[in-house]
Amino acid sequence: QVQLQESGPGLVKPSETLSLTCAVSGYSITSGYYWVWIRQPPGKGLEWIGSLYYSGSTYYNSSLKSRVTISAYTSKNQFSLKVSSVTAADTAMYYCARGQSHAGSFFFDYWGQGTLVTVSS
Amino acid sequence: EIVLTQSPGTLSLSPGERATLSCRASQRVSSSYLAWYQRKPGQAPRLLIYGASSRATGIPDRFSGSGSGTDFTLTISRLEPEDFAVYYCQQYGSSPATFGQGTKVEIK
Repeated sequence: QVQLQESGPGLVKPSETLSLTCAVSGYSITSGYYWVWIRQPPGKGLEWIGSLYYSGSTYYNSSLKSRVTISAYTSKNQFSLKVSSVTAADTAMYYCARGQSHAGSFFFDYWGQGTLVTVSS
Repeated sequence: EIVLTQSPGTLSLSPGERATLSCRASQRVSSSYLAWYQRKPGQAPRLLIYGASSRATGIPDRFSGSGSGTDFTLTISRLEPEDFAVYYCQQYGSSPATFGQGTKVEIK
């Protein structure tokens, strides 16, 4: 059974960098699939942030691309998200997920429970 | 990007009733690349349907998906107590993948 668990600070100051980690169990991130971050701001819809392929290729939503980095830590079977220069608009529930790709886009077959990140001074 | 509009926003039904949820796309969804998810409070979202009509692993057959082009439907044939949740559609026919705003199925 594939399981994902997000972790990281729940509070980040404006202009700083948001950093989250997703621990994966039940499947090796180097065996295939895409490893994904998705977020949902309060009262708003779900937004795909970006995806990391097991080979190291990355794909980002253009709305966030200049501020986002997704990386893999294969020895720990984890992957991470960094969002730089955060503002209150980055306050959201952040989910990690496993993705399958079709035509350059993705759907998501396993998700973590999510972690709430608030941007505030 | 493709905008998905789900209706209704809230569906109030009793256990045993049939639920019909709609997802309409602003443009044609390529190859019916549409998925449905269920989300309950405090739980990880769960993939129900992909490819518009294929059930994900372990999903009961009371859940079914249909549609093509711009109009898609998720049907729950007989609601069980554990089915009361929020449901989201998502298209992956073009990048970026986008989601609908969700339909809440609540107990009447």
